Amino acid sequence: QVQLVESGGGVVQPGGSLRLSCVASGFTFSSYAMYWVRQAPGKGLEWVAFIRNDGISKYYADSAKGRFTISRDNSKNTLYLQMSSLRGDDAAVYYCAKDRQYYYSYIDVWGKGTTVIVSS
Amino acid sequence: QSVLTQPPSASGTPGQRVTISCSGSSSNIGSNTVNWYQQLPGTAPKLLIYTNNQRPSGVPDRFSGSKSGTSASLAISGLQSEDEADYYCASWDDSLNGVVFGGGTKLTVL
Repeated sequence: QVQLVESGGGVVQPGGSLRLSCVASGFTFSSYAMYWVRQAPGKGLEWVAFIRNDGISKYYADSAKGRFTISRDNSKNTLYLQMSSLRGDDAAVYYCAKDRQYYYSYIDVWGKGTTVIVSS
Repeated sequence: QSVLTQPPSASGTPGQRVTISCSGSSSNIGSNTVNWYQQLPGTAPKLLIYTNNQRPSGVPDRFSGSKSGTSASLAISGLQSEDEADYYCASWDDSLNGVVFGGGTKLTVL
């Protein structure tokens, strides 16, 4: 079955960096666009970044522009989110999510999430 | 402040019908489809309604969606205790070039 497994979360100091990974299985990863969506404690869902199936088109939320980079390795069925200059308001559960097609349409599958804590 | 506007809370008794609204603008709901997600406590979101009014397999027909202009709504009929969850609307925004979510509606079954 379709599965997305995130990893790489943890505790990081303000100003630090972290790389999240998401390993996909159960579908042809290279055929689908992917997303990172986050949820701060007790808050709602916030889209962070989007990448087309071939990795050519990438879009970012204003909160992520210039600090976060989304990428993918289709040969490894893996999605990444490189985060730098982390701030307290970046603390959240980060979800990897799959689109139902190669470009944006809608998220149809979510991972279980990985938690990022920003603290000194 | 979320781009899409939802009521923060809704409630109903078992068997009742409840609706949750989602208001947007011409750059999101007005020009793209609306999707709804259910998030049970402590779990990841799950797709509930896609393309305004379509249900994925496995979602009971008690759940229905509709869209008109720059607004959408989710209706849940025959309310059950297991429907107690947070519900989010979402759409693509052509101006922001990204997904926009509603702030979420916490549904309580009394």
